[in-house]
Amino acid sequence: EDQVTQSPEALRLQEGESSSLNCSYTVSGLRGLFWYRQDPGKGPEFLFTLYSAGEEKEKERLKATLTKKESFLHITAPKPEDSATYLCAVQGKTSYDKVIFGPGTSLSVIP
Amino acid sequence: AAGVIQSPRHLIKEKRETATLKCYPIPRHDTVYWYQQGPGQDPQFLISFYEKMQSDKGSIPDRFSAQQFSDYHSELNMSSLELGDSALYFCASSPPWTSRNSGANVLTFGAGSRLTVL
Repeated sequence: EDQVTQSPEALRLQEGESSSLNCSYTVSGLRGLFWYRQDPGKGPEFLFTLYSAGEEKEKERLKATLTKKESFLHITAPKPEDSATYLCAVQGKTSYDKVIFGPGTSLSVIP
Repeated sequence: AAGVIQSPRHLIKEKRETATLKCYPIPRHDTVYWYQQGPGQDPQFLISFYEKMQSDKGSIPDRFSAQQFSDYHSELNMSSLELGDSALYFCASSPPWTSRNSGANVLTFGAGSRLTVL
């Protein structure tokens, strides 16, 4: 069965203090690994899709990387507006449409 | 740009009552998903529909049912409501297979429907 775990559960950073979030996954053939951002009480917002090991994607202060077992979301010089829960999700090749989410990392960036 | 529309945004029901949530996907998106998110929890996959047929099923209780209609909107019907059903229910949609990279589904989520069962 496809599984996703994320660490840390919560992360508190000073503004400008770079760090990384981890996503570990188990899937029977990876169709795609996704990163989403979720603000309290709102729906998840798509950030990146990664398809194969070695792939990297960047967007502003965020950079996502992928290995065969893990993905990292690197946050460079974060700002308070980056505070949110970051969700990792996977879609395996054994299911048609199912996308499984991890528990998320709650990020707080302190001014 | 048009987004995923969910209604109602808030719903309060008593135990054992029935509730119906509606979802209108982004135009030309043919796949609809339902997720349940309890307080402090990750979104749990309930069910998905592609071209009006159920495509995948997750941890959806037998008391719940869903369908997708000819205009691609979807409804989630929940009966015999329990206190534990109180949660945010998200609908998401994704574009047709022909426009997906490697078949990976990029989901666009709606704002959610908050169900409170008293």
